[in-house]
Amino acid sequence: GAGVSQSPSNKVTEKGKDVELRCDPISGHTALYWYRQSLGQGLEFLIYFQGNSAPDKSGLPSDRFSAERTGGSVSTLTIQRTQQEDSAVYLCASSLPPHRGREGTEAFFGQGTRLTVV
Amino acid sequence: AQRVTQPEKLLSVFKGAPVELKCNYSYSGSPELFWYVQYSRQRLQLLLRHISRESIKGFTADLNKGETSFHLKKPFAQEEDSAMYYCALRGAMGGKLIFGQGTELSVKP
Repeated sequence: GAGVSQSPSNKVTEKGKDVELRCDPISGHTALYWYRQSLGQGLEFLIYFQGNSAPDKSGLPSDRFSAERTGGSVSTLTIQRTQQEDSAVYLCASSLPPHRGREGTEAFFGQGTRLTVV
Repeated sequence: AQRVTQPEKLLSVFKGAPVELKCNYSYSGSPELFWYVQYSRQRLQLLLRHISRESIKGFTADLNKGETSFHLKKPFAQEEDSAMYYCALRGAMGGKLIFGQGTELSVKP
């Protein structure tokens, strides 16, 4: 595809249910990022994948949150036992691998998944 | 630890006025710094990066290592500049991209 694609665009779920959010990065982009965007909180980093390296999970807010990246391409963010405070827009981005010699690597964002927990 | 701080949640100016969106960072090293912008109903997109030293849509940003700042400036704001602006940092060795809380710029006619 031409850009980063996220699905679904909107998701309404009941408190306590599990949800899966999907991200299709730009072909050839080995770096993939997940963020949570909520009012007053800005863009909160969740997790970062780069190639075959161990992901940087330092931003995951609790053990209810997990993410996978299969085959170095598609990624799934899973939230278990959703809570109302999980309601937010979840953004995915991808980029070429950032490294010394390629400074300023741009991250390309998807349109986001708006999650509402009722 | 990497941290980006944007002290203003909302900045409101009149068309033609100068605008400065503040960004301060915390990083022990030489980071890469960026400004991203999100217009209404559009995706977040790159506005400019410090490494390029470029002017995009009339905006410039200078990295001040002494003050650990990367403020975004434009001498004459336009209504179409109204958007959410995010400052971002990536460590010198690559890796995750950390964003600030964002500043909403509102340019009034």
